[in-house]
Amino acid sequence: SAVISQKPSRDICQRGTSLTIQCQVDSQVTMMFWYRQQPGQSLTLIATANQGSEATYESGFVIDKFPISRPNLTFSTLTVSNMSPEDSSIYLCSVEVGTGVEQYFGPGTRLTVT
Amino acid sequence: RKEVEQDPGPFNVPEGATVAFNCTYSNSASQSFFWYRQDCRKEPKLLMSVYSSGNEDGRFTAQLNRASQYISLLIRDSKLSDSATYLCVVNPNFNKFYFGSGTKLNVKP
Repeated sequence: SAVISQKPSRDICQRGTSLTIQCQVDSQVTMMFWYRQQPGQSLTLIATANQGSEATYESGFVIDKFPISRPNLTFSTLTVSNMSPEDSSIYLCSVEVGTGVEQYFGPGTRLTVT
Repeated sequence: RKEVEQDPGPFNVPEGATVAFNCTYSNSASQSFFWYRQDCRKEPKLLMSVYSSGNEDGRFTAQLNRASQYISLLIRDSKLSDSATYLCVVNPNFNKFYFGSGTKLNVKP
């Protein structure tokens, strides 16, 4: 497995502002993923981030709204831009470890937009 | 049709009971399947992968039925600590992961 940390753990932000969420892994990983989990819902994949290349976004998510950086094999950031109350959610990063495709998740960032 | 469907529950069972959850998936080409457990206000944690031949880990048994496109999770001798939401996850192809909406389990004393 892997030890994954996220910062901040929670935040309350005003609409129209942006928040950058950091994800740090204790080992080098190729694939990192960003998910959103809205209240009472399951997880929805936002994008996949490989080191050294552009992130791949899922349908319904765009780079202008959710820019992602992946500067090295242990770190990634997700920015939630121009926030609205609909962006209130838990944002989770995850990584694939080992030879399988099992994913391990960070503790999540709980975002509330007022 | 959703990629992955689960009965949301809740399943309310007494301690010691056996409980089973099913999960159906729509993409017949899917190759990898998992069960995750998510406690309230926590991140999902991998419970077990699901292999074609079925697999068992202590009180937990996972099975895959490709013909009917479903996977199952059986929990024997339920403990209070098993109370959580169980998420079915399907990996249809490279870097695509679809999560079910989860099945909530409440184990009562």
